Amino acid sequence: DTGVSQDPRHKITKRGQNVTFRCDPISEHNRLYWYRQTLGQGPEFLTYFQNEAQLEKSRLLSDRFSAERPKGSFSTLEIQRTEQGDSAMYLCASSSIEGVRETQYFGPGTRLLVL
Amino acid sequence: DAKTTQPPSMDCAEGRAANLPCNHSTISGNEYVYWYRQIHSQGPQYIIHGLKNNETNEMASLIITEDRKSSTLILPHATLRDTAVYYCIVTQNDYKLSFGAGTTVTVRA
Repeated sequence: DTGVSQDPRHKITKRGQNVTFRCDPISEHNRLYWYRQTLGQGPEFLTYFQNEAQLEKSRLLSDRFSAERPKGSFSTLEIQRTEQGDSAMYLCASSSIEGVRETQYFGPGTRLLVL
Repeated sequence: DAKTTQPPSMDCAEGRAANLPCNHSTISGNEYVYWYRQIHSQGPQYIIHGLKNNETNEMASLIITEDRKSSTLILPHATLRDTAVYYCIVTQNDYKLSFGAGTTVTVRA
C-alpha cells in the first residue's frame, strides 16, 4: 500500500491553456474524490466516483472542469481554458469501507498556478 | 451538514496533551464527528471519528459531550510533528467532507 499518488505535484500554466491532473488511488479502493483548496481555506468537495461512475458533482465544478475514472482505477481531472481563479491545490482522496463508515485517504495534491 | 466552530489557533507545549475543542450545536442524530489534520503542504490526514461514544485510536482520543453539541480532540503527548491545521467536520455523508477553516495548532519545544 503506497498511498494515494498524484501527478504532477506542481503545474504552472498560462491563462487559457488546458491542464490535466492524474490521481492513482490506493489499490482496491472503489471510491475516489476530488477536492480543491485555495490558500488559507479548507478543502472543498468537487466530485466523487464509485468505481467508474461519477455520482456527484459540486456546483464548483464548472463546465470547464471534467473528471473521469475510465476503468475504476486511476482518475483524471481536466481544466479547460484555465483562469487565474483556478489557481489552487487540487486534492484527490480514495476510500474503503471500515466498519460502517468510510475513511478518506488523501494524496499530496497538485498545486496549480495560472499566470 | 451541521456547522462547526473551532478556535482559529492554539499553542501547545511539546510532550503535553493538546485539547482541541469543537462546537457543533446544530448536530443532528445521524451526523458523525470527524477529525482530520493537514500538515503544511500535504494532503489532509484522517485522525478519528465518532457518533456518540468516546473513541480512541493510536493517534488521538475523541470526547463527545452527552448532548453531542461539542467535542474535544485530545492528542495525548504532542510532538513537534503534530503542528498542523486540525479540522472538525460534522457530516452524515462520509463521501462529501465539508472542511471549515480549522484550528492551527503549533507545538512548541
